[in-house]
Amino acid sequence: GDSVTQMEGPVTLSEEAFLTINCTYTATGYPSLFWYVQYPGEGLQLLLKATKADDKGSNKGFEATYRKETTSFHLEKGSVQVSDSAVYFCALNQAGTALIFGKGTTLSVSS
Amino acid sequence: NAGVTQTPKFQVLKTGQSMTLQCAQDMNHNSMYWYRQDPGMGLRLIYYSASEGTTDKGEVPNGYNVSRLNKREFSLRLESAAPSQTSVYFCASSESQSYYGYTFGSGTRLTVV
Repeated sequence: GDSVTQMEGPVTLSEEAFLTINCTYTATGYPSLFWYVQYPGEGLQLLLKATKADDKGSNKGFEATYRKETTSFHLEKGSVQVSDSAVYFCALNQAGTALIFGKGTTLSVSS
Repeated sequence: NAGVTQTPKFQVLKTGQSMTLQCAQDMNHNSMYWYRQDPGMGLRLIYYSASEGTTDKGEVPNGYNVSRLNKREFSLRLESAAPSQTSVYFCASSESQSYYGYTFGSGTRLTVV
């Protein structure tokens, strides 16, 4: 079945460092891809999405490009802030199915 | 504020007790979902309702039942709680199952002792 694999954390960075969180997927057909973020004690919030190959999703300085040839959707940010500390989830869905999540990657940013 | 509301936020149960987790959304969404979040496991789908009047099993449905009471409300019931059901439960909704992303509630932290 469909699945999502994320790099294991935690990822620990200093403020203003470059961030990459790797995400690869296995799916039949043409899924939509998402990144969600969960701040401590809260529910998940949609961070960005891409619905077809080569689409780039972006929000709050974060970006991810849908790469069908490598089945990847890596999350990047050029300069992280302490406020970006959270758990990040990569997810996919296809028509008629519910979202499938990766296991999540914890990001900790120190000043 | 518009969104998904879950109650209660915290609950402690004894093994064998029953309870219902409530979820309501005010965005006129058609689809609703229940997930559980466990350390190192990500979010796993328990049940979902693609539209009012329908429900389907997800990845981990054993020990749970659901009711789509109307378009707004989707409840999750534990008939006989077990320690393995200790988890954080999230309800979510979406316009449809495809492409739009979900809106999540803030979660219910359940401990079964």
